Order: sequence, then C-alpha cells, then structure tokens
Amino acid sequence: EVQLVESGGGLVKPGGSLRLSCAVSGITFRNAWMNWVRQAPGKGLEWLGRIKSKTDGGTTEYAAPVKGRFTISRDDSKNTLYLQMNSLKTEDTAMYYCITGGFDYWGQGTLVTVSS
Amino acid sequence: QTVVTQEPSLTVSPGGTVTLTCASSTGAVTSGYYPNWFQQKPGQAPRALIYNTSTKHPWTPARFSGSLIGGKAALTLSGVQPEDEAEYYCLLYYGGAQPNMLFGGGTKLTVL
Repeated sequence: EVQLVESGGGLVKPGGSLRLSCAVSGITFRNAWMNWVRQAPGKGLEWLGRIKSKTDGGTTEYAAPVKGRFTISRDDSKNTLYLQMNSLKTEDTAMYYCITGGFDYWGQGTLVTVSS
Repeated sequence: QTVVTQEPSLTVSPGGTVTLTCASSTGAVTSGYYPNWFQQKPGQAPRALIYNTSTKHPWTPARFSGSLIGGKAALTLSGVQPEDEAEYYCLLYYGGAQPNMLFGGGTKLTVL
C-alpha cells in the first residue's frame, strides 16, 4: 500500500520559515519524482513544484509564486521529501500536499497557517 | 499569465450523463498537455481519476472517461451516482524552458 504522510505544519508569523516533511512508503522512493501542491482554505489547487529522482538528475522546478522562497529536497535514505518555506506570507496559508510524480498518490496534507 | 478554466458548477440527475471541460488560455488543449483529472470530496485529499487525457487509474470507476472535445480536455461521467457529488479539478502540463503545471479552478458537481 502506498502511503504519503506529511508533517511539520503549524502556525507561523509572517516572514517566518517552516519545513514540511513527507514520509513515503509502498513505492521505490529513490526512483520517484515528487510534487508539492497546496490548497488555500475554500480555494482550488495550486502546484508548487517538483523534484526529479537523482537518477534523472535530481533537479527541481517551481511555480512562479514560490520560486526563490520555497525549496524542495529529498533524502532517499529516509524515503522522505521536504519543502522548506521561507519569507512566509499570509497568502501562503493553506493545506500542503505531497504527491507522487504522476499525481496518482496523495498524502492527507498538513495545514500551514501564516498569521501574526 | 496562463489560466486554465473549468465550469464553476454543474448539476446532473442520478443516472444521467455530464461532461466537464478544461480549457487553456493559450489555445487548444492537446494530448501534449497530458490532462489529468481529480476528484475531491469535502474534508478529503484529492483523488486521481484520469491521466494522459484518457487513461484511468486502477481504482477509477468505469463510468468516468476522459477525452479531448472541441479543443478542451473533457471528463465525462455516465450513469452518475450520488457519491459522484464532489469538486473536480483538471491539471495541464506546460512544457518549455520553465516547465509549469496549472490546475483549473474546479467544477462543483451537484447530483440532484
């Protein structure tokens, strides 16, 4: 069974930082491309970025609204995906989902609230 | 700025057929945009239904089908069930020097 479990969400002040984690099981993580997607309360889905497998170069791509503030990384020894978020804004308040490269498997999400 | 557009809401009767569409502000949607479709029910994470325009996941009910119609990606539900009431999102892939993926705004499907 494929499982993706996000963690690390919470309340953070504007300008602050937060690192989200996503523990992955049930697939060969080191071969997987992975995505992050978020959903603001009552709003639609927004793709944030993805990371390729190391065998495919391990490169990252980001959506324009988060490029330069968010960084996606991975630790294949821990089967874990990360999302480092810096310079957070109130509009970054959302549920954050990690998803496999083909968008077939989704985690349940972790909630990030940016508020003073 | 590229925008992906879906019908905000649609209503269908149980047992009926409904088609949801997904348009790109850049022009006609083709298979090269690798259209994906997702279903999201309240309080739940989205669930993948269709990828690469028309390919179903193993868990996708047979009544769901994907296609291209009139320059748009389309998701058709045939023999709609009450449990199909949900929000549906499409996703398009934009390649190029700076690859990007964009979701549509979602279609709220009501079964009434």
